[in-house]
Amino acid sequence: DAGVIQSPRHEVTEMGQEVTLRCKPISGHNSLFWYRQTMMRGLELLIYFNNNVPIDDSGMPEDRFSAKMPNASFSTLKIQPSEPRDSAVYFCASSDTDKGNQPQHFGDGTRLSIL
Amino acid sequence: QQQVKQSPQSLIVQKGGIPIINCAYENTAFDYFPWYQQFPGKGPALLIAIRPDVSEKKEGRFTISFNKSAKQFSLHIMDSQPGDSATYFCAATLRGGGADGLTFGKGTHLIIQP
Repeated sequence: DAGVIQSPRHEVTEMGQEVTLRCKPISGHNSLFWYRQTMMRGLELLIYFNNNVPIDDSGMPEDRFSAKMPNASFSTLKIQPSEPRDSAVYFCASSDTDKGNQPQHFGDGTRLSIL
Repeated sequence: QQQVKQSPQSLIVQKGGIPIINCAYENTAFDYFPWYQQFPGKGPALLIAIRPDVSEKKEGRFTISFNKSAKQFSLHIMDSQPGDSATYFCAATLRGGGADGLTFGKGTHLIIQP
């Protein structure tokens, strides 16, 4: 049973570069969430989609961050231009809200380091 | 403003002991309270969850106690084992488990000593 798949697992890049994080949700799940984890702020919701439509992006820190979900099996989180304070672990999660109270399943994250 | 406060930040318990992790929330509209377990290099994994119409829920060695009037809930791990050493997060959300984003506590780093 394939879980949520995120790529890359690790990304190291220089300040100012564009960064694209990718997520493949669990097949059949209709909600997708992007979270960021840092020591200082813990786990924070950035944005979530339902049936490929963005529902709440109030957690996106700045205009430098953008997220898309072109189809039910793929989503991207893009940072342009990247800054050192964007260094964090970024998690994608998915759930099947058509089945009532279903939990969110998390991928293993992308560890992003901006130098 | 932190909507879910979790304590303690870290906890060391001897094998067989009962670690207790506490959380308090502010938003009375929250209606689903999951606990997640996270191992290093892995994403959070759902452990157990409760709704506010229930005061206690037990699954295996894990129990959630819920106090709606106090807006508090806690996780108890019975007969703790070294393999339970991990970071534990409480969370809260609106509209059920998967329909809305989760608001997480800051996490508790738990160590179970052999």
